[in-house]
Amino acid sequence: EVQLVESGGGLVQPGGSLRLSCAASGFPFSSYSMNWVRQAPGKGLEFISYISSRSTTIYYADSVKGRFTVSRDNANNSLYLQMNSLRDEDTAVYYCARSYCSSGTCYAVGAYWGQGTLVTVSS
Amino acid sequence: EIVLTQSPATLSLSPGERATLSCRASQSVSTYLAWYQQKPGQAPRLLIYDASNRATGVPARFSGSGSGTDFTLSIISLEPEDFAVYYCQQWSNWPPLFGGGTKVEIK
Repeated sequence: EVQLVESGGGLVQPGGSLRLSCAASGFPFSSYSMNWVRQAPGKGLEFISYISSRSTTIYYADSVKGRFTVSRDNANNSLYLQMNSLRDEDTAVYYCARSYCSSGTCYAVGAYWGQGTLVTVSS
Repeated sequence: EIVLTQSPATLSLSPGERATLSCRASQSVSTYLAWYQQKPGQAPRLLIYDASNRATGVPARFSGSGSGTDFTLSIISLEPEDFAVYYCQQWSNWPPLFGGGTKVEIK
């Protein structure tokens, strides 16, 4: 069974930093690209980052580019999101999601999702 | 960037009725379109990928169609558990934006 468990959320002041983690199990983590998607309270979904299986391809949404860094540790089946210079508008539930893959190619589509971790940016 | 417009914003239907949800792209995304279902307090769930392929475990009452700029998600007979918010998402190019969502509520 595919399982994704996010952690690391919490309350942080504007300008602060936070590191989210996503522990993966139930599938060959090193074979799949991974994604971070967030959802502000009462709002829709926003795709914020994609990382390929070997970290060779990384994308960020404009809203987080230069402030957030995605990384992964295939040896430990873990995905990370380092968030710096946090703003009020970064307040959201952050989900990690395994990509949909077909014929050896993975896409920025969330085939499986974790339960999310809440990040609140407030003074 | 490719913008997705979902309509209607809210759909009020009774169990057993058919639901038809629309997603329109600002430019062609071929069939690089997915549909998700999200219930309150839960993570999204992938329903449809490649515009018309059901994801693992998705009931046959859900179907997707379309290509290019116009897409439809149909639920042929609503079950009580189908009342939720539905999002479309394109991955033709970065950023893989989502539509604004359609809430299917009980009439």
